[in-house]
Amino acid sequence: NAGVTQTPKFQVLKTGQSMTLQCAQDMNHEYMSWYRQDPGMGLRLIHYSVGAGITDQGEVPNGYNVSRSTTEDFPLRLLSAAPSQTSVYFCASSSSGTSGYEQYFGPGTRLTVT
Amino acid sequence: AQRVTQPEKLLSVFKGAPVELKCNYSYSGSPELFWYVQYSRQRLQLLLRHISRESIKGFTADLNKGETSFHLKKPFAQEEDSAMYYCALRSYGGSQGNLIFGKGTKLSVKP
Repeated sequence: NAGVTQTPKFQVLKTGQSMTLQCAQDMNHEYMSWYRQDPGMGLRLIHYSVGAGITDQGEVPNGYNVSRSTTEDFPLRLLSAAPSQTSVYFCASSSSGTSGYEQYFGPGTRLTVT
Repeated sequence: AQRVTQPEKLLSVFKGAPVELKCNYSYSGSPELFWYVQYSRQRLQLLLRHISRESIKGFTADLNKGETSFHLKKPFAQEEDSAMYYCALRSYGGSQGNLIFGKGTKLSVKP
């Protein structure tokens, strides 16, 4: 199992550009989430999904869109990048099964918006 | 409201000294709590969870409902323990698959 994978690892954008951060998992987990990690702020939930076709907002959803067309993939779209979106982005997945909601994290995407 | 508080941003100890990373939570029901660790520039990984009551890498954490705490302890710190540590509470609103994280404590173990 590859677990949770994310691409790209690093990205530099200019203000106003758009892009998609990719996230995939091969553990058949129903839950997937996107967090952003900022110094002194911990991890904050952006969007999450409880299954294919179902998404909802987290704590800091503004400026981001998500969709979940398959169980495996959960891309995060930045519509019009802003310097305030400079952060490290982590995707995570979990299941209510034997692992009891333990969240498995991807390696992260380090995004800089200039 | 559900909330996790880690009062220390940075904790610095010498190798061999005891370590305690504090975590307090706010939740009126029966909480499910976790400790995650993030080594330099790596992904977060689960260190331990209170329901399994196990010791991982010498770390233990006991849930104290009276004090609403879930402090992480290790009797003798090692240099390889230097990392960011996050306490997390399982969310009971919205999606039960989500976690509410504290802001983290950076542990630095000096030789």
